[in-house]
Amino acid sequence: AQSVAQPEDQVNVAEGNPLTVKCTYSVSGNPYLFWYVQYPNRGLQFLLKYITGDNLVKGSYGFEAEFNKSQTSFHLKKPSALVSDSALYFCAVRDALTGGGNKLTFGTGTQLKVEL
Amino acid sequence: DVKVTQSSRYLVKRTGEKVFLECVQDMDHENMFWYRQDPGLGLRLIYFSYDVKMKEKGDIPEGYSVSREKKERFSLILESASTNQTSMYLCASSSLAGYNEQFFGPGTRLTVL
Repeated sequence: AQSVAQPEDQVNVAEGNPLTVKCTYSVSGNPYLFWYVQYPNRGLQFLLKYITGDNLVKGSYGFEAEFNKSQTSFHLKKPSALVSDSALYFCAVRDALTGGGNKLTFGTGTQLKVEL
Repeated sequence: DVKVTQSSRYLVKRTGEKVFLECVQDMDHENMFWYRQDPGLGLRLIYFSYDVKMKEKGDIPEGYSVSREKKERFSLILESASTNQTSMYLCASSSLAGYNEQFFGPGTRLTVL
């Protein structure tokens, strides 16, 4: 079975400060990990993914994420937050050993609020 | 760019009505998915399809059915809508490879009165 946890319902950060949105996962085999962002009344937009290789993954809008196998984590980070980054962020995981269908399991989401 | 479109952004139906939500993708993706999104629960998979006329149950299929007659189109059907099916419904598609991301439509906010 595959699962993912986002321990924080909301993260508040001041504009210009670094931000971190946390994600931990559980899979039987190796993970494929994804981050998505959702702006109000919109669908989800893909930000970045980890498949294999370098543990630091860079994505859209200046976001990056660090894969840590020993801690089973995939935290989303940005060096300097913008007010426009305020949105709902979802982490998702797929076990690389599972069968067809490309089924992802999503976390419950973390609301990021960036204030002036 | 991949485009996933959904037939309605907002929909209001009455209890007991049959409801059709349609999703179309233009990237020749094999996989298509229907999720519902509720506050505090994240996204939950209702059904998915990896080929025409093929479907598999997700985590919460009760009260729903699906149809995929053409590769680009995936329909979600609420046979008899109930108030607890009031939710945001999101459609997504992806290519077959497991490491590829899913692309989402804009969502349909369904209210059942």
